[in-house]
Amino acid sequence: GAVVSQHPSRVICKSGTSVKIECRSLDFQATTMFWYRQFPKKSLMLMATSNEGSKATYEQGVEKDKFLINHASLTLSTLTVTSAHPEDSSFYICSALAGAGADTQYFGPGTRLTVL
Amino acid sequence: AQSVTQPDIHITVSEGASLELRCNYSYGATPYLFWYVQSPGQGLQLLLKYFSGDTLVQGIKGFEAEFKRSQSSFNLRKPSVHWSDAAEYFCAVGPFFNKFYFGSGTKLNVKP
Repeated sequence: GAVVSQHPSRVICKSGTSVKIECRSLDFQATTMFWYRQFPKKSLMLMATSNEGSKATYEQGVEKDKFLINHASLTLSTLTVTSAHPEDSSFYICSALAGAGADTQYFGPGTRLTVL
Repeated sequence: AQSVTQPDIHITVSEGASLELRCNYSYGATPYLFWYVQSPGQGLQLLLKYFSGDTLVQGIKGFEAEFKRSQSSFNLRKPSVHWSDAAEYFCAVGPFFNKFYFGSGTKLNVKP
């Protein structure tokens, strides 16, 4: 199956700093990747859709200036949380579309962000 | 509007017992349906998917799911649950304009 990695798996940072999370498709090319946020005991909340070579599409209510997404290659998308605050602490998960019709999501292992 | 409902928030079954997790969907087109499993602190792993054809699909780890168009359902089943199956399970539908819709999840506990 398609493998997606995320780095780092855990990060702790101070309030006001920026944090970058990487999402890579290891054995396939992904023109489309997704970034989700998951709150404790909750389902996934789609933050944005990342398309290679173009601007990301953000969901309503997601601050695009705070959550910067870059999809510069067919195997890498990055999410940068700028000027992080404690309320940004969460579990962030990326996924990439793969399959014959690019119709199946494969997920990364997630990144636990803690902002102090 | 597109949506997925998982009516059971928590389910507890005894090890060795059978399991059925419910999923109902509302979708404006022929659905692609998915079941994922998430262990604590981990990402989601694809268990199985339905696109077309045989309405009973087999997945990994001994799971299967049955698509019933008349009931708008895609229930996940396993004949004999193992302790390692304890996790959270998510049903999803899509893509619809490149977007997927997830249910709220069902947490499975397995009693020894």
